[in-house]
Amino acid sequence: ILNVEQSPQSLHVQEGDSTNFTCSFPSSNFYALHWYRWETAKSPEALFVMTLNGDEKKKGQISATLNTKEGYSYLYIKGSQPEDSATYLCAFTGGFKTIFGAGTRLFVKA
Amino acid sequence: DTAVSQTPKYLVTQMGNDKSIKCEQNLGHDTMYWYKQDSKKFLKIMFSYNNKELIINETVPNRFSPKSPDKAHLNLHINSLELGDSAVYFCASSQDVVQGETQYFGPGTRLLVL
Repeated sequence: ILNVEQSPQSLHVQEGDSTNFTCSFPSSNFYALHWYRWETAKSPEALFVMTLNGDEKKKGQISATLNTKEGYSYLYIKGSQPEDSATYLCAFTGGFKTIFGAGTRLFVKA
Repeated sequence: DTAVSQTPKYLVTQMGNDKSIKCEQNLGHDTMYWYKQDSKKFLKIMFSYNNKELIINETVPNRFSPKSPDKAHLNLHINSLELGDSAVYFCASSQDVVQGETQYFGPGTRLLVL
């Protein structure tokens, strides 16, 4: 059974804090790992897609790393802002399937 | 100009009814998907179409029937609605069926079956 797990489920931080979340996925049949940002009452929007072991991607204050051998990816947010409050979803693609994690819900307090 | 749109946004209906949800994408993508967000907030794939042809059909009751009149549209018809069908349904599209393509999501349709 292919399973994608994200931790923590939710996170409360103060404005200016840096934070990180984990996505664990199967290390076999790996093709790609996606991160999406999902604001309340909106639809998920793509942040990054990574395909190679050791990949690192950065967009503004948000960055992600990928370890396909051990099956995990980290998402980092440096200096969180209230507008970063959202659910961050990871999705594993492999074996012609895309499987989403349940997401990490981030709350950034001003 | 919305890239992936769904109608209706909200749908409240009685058990036993038949209803449809429509999805349209104006991105020129070849592949479209339907997801159901379950009670634990997971996005679970239901169907995937590439160029109007069904390519993924997960274990979904046959009361659910997708229809793709053209590659820009993927509609979801649900017969004999049950209480357990209450969920948020998301449509998505991607450039093609190649693994790893980024998916673009619609705003979701919130279905409530009474």
